Amino acid sequence: QKEVEQNSGPLSVPEGAIASLNCTYSDRGSQSFFWYRQYSGKSPELIMSIYSNGDKEDGRFTAQLNKASQYVSLLIRDSQPSDSATYLCAVKGYSSYKLIFGSGTRLLVRP
Amino acid sequence: DTEVTQTPKHLVMGMTNKKSLKCEQHMGHRAMYWYKQKAKKPPELMFVYSYEKLSINESVPSRFSPECPNSSLLNLHLHALQPEDSALYLCASSQDQVTDTQYFGPGTRLTVL
Repeated sequence: QKEVEQNSGPLSVPEGAIASLNCTYSDRGSQSFFWYRQYSGKSPELIMSIYSNGDKEDGRFTAQLNKASQYVSLLIRDSQPSDSATYLCAVKGYSSYKLIFGSGTRLLVRP
Repeated sequence: DTEVTQTPKHLVMGMTNKKSLKCEQHMGHRAMYWYKQKAKKPPELMFVYSYEKLSINESVPSRFSPECPNSSLLNLHLHALQPEDSALYLCASSQDQVTDTQYFGPGTRLTVL
């Protein structure tokens, strides 16, 4: 079983729709959760971090964390073609140096 | 300012060449990282420096040699690379090794001929 799992996609949504990206993780001791966006050929860019159960909103982005079910999700409201990218979920354990990445979900927003 | 810079942006080298990748951050971060990323794969951790000392080497071949001259700079010295080492090399930094939120630089696209 992979430590951090994401559906590779592509997830295709029309412009203006809500895109929902999901991630599950296996280590119950995980404490910190991140979403990075990566455009083709570019480096990962931090979108959101979340540490507590519940929702965290930042502009059009909402991260949701459920530690009991071991999943974290990212909602993108009013999706734009410029949101088309690969979204990487990353998880870190308590006192751990290591960021464990999922394989990423490719999002396509159709104009 | 959450900027990490890397030079060069692109590098082409032969298998007998010696070259270096450079990374710089001015956020006062005390942990710096090197990652390697192949196409359509997530970043793969190579090295971690904490307070200018190498703390983690993820069993990376010796043809990759990291160096941290000071708290703002991180180098990766390359020697006798193989074509399969061609990848995007990413530098990242965080406040310290345990504190989260790693910020990535733009990367160096390396091609080994």
